[in-house]
Amino acid sequence: KAGVTQTPRYLIKTRGQQVTLSCSPISGHRSVSWYQQTPGQGLQFLFEYFSETQRNKGNFPGRFSGRQFSNSRSEMNVSTLELGDSALYLCASSFKAGGQETQYFGPGTRLLVL
Amino acid sequence: QKEVEQDPGPLSVPEGAIVSLNCTYSNSAFQYFMWYRQYSRKGPELLMYTYSSGNKEDGRFTAQVDKSSKYISLFIRDSQPSDSATYLCAMSAWYSSASKIIFGSGTRLSIRP
Repeated sequence: KAGVTQTPRYLIKTRGQQVTLSCSPISGHRSVSWYQQTPGQGLQFLFEYFSETQRNKGNFPGRFSGRQFSNSRSEMNVSTLELGDSALYLCASSFKAGGQETQYFGPGTRLLVL
Repeated sequence: QKEVEQDPGPLSVPEGAIVSLNCTYSNSAFQYFMWYRQYSRKGPELLMYTYSSGNKEDGRFTAQVDKSSKYISLFIRDSQPSDSATYLCAMSAWYSSASKIIFGSGTRLSIRP
């Protein structure tokens, strides 16, 4: 089975711009979560989608948004980029077994905001 | 206080040594415990997954959970330079949502040849 794929892998933007990141989950996984990872804050949960619906949202401003398509692929968008948005953005797809969600992460998109 | 505490390291040990990585937590509802390995510039990779208290062994890796002390450990035997990475613990209660998985901040491990 192919793993979680994310595109692009690297991105450089300037303040004020917007960016869209893409994630393709493992085949058969319907849940997709997004995380922001920075050296100072570690892994922070952004949002989770399941069957095209946002199931949960973390404590991030409205500039961060996402969506999921019928084929479970997901995109996240960040508008009006700020320097502090520079981070590794990770997507994880998950499936439920025995009552527990087990997550598999993609390689991430490294975003640099100048 | 964070729900999950993990020493960020860095931890440097010689090749062949036994490595012990640890996390403590405060939420007694946590029942599922995971360890992820993250190489530089890569996404986290699931290493071990345990439910409730006890030990689980997989090759050179052993995960240990002590719910009474709210303490989990990952042991790496015969450590190799290829084990050099950041190790993240993660845990969750009886929730069926990825948003309820809490991650530690990660411990950076370096194995010296």
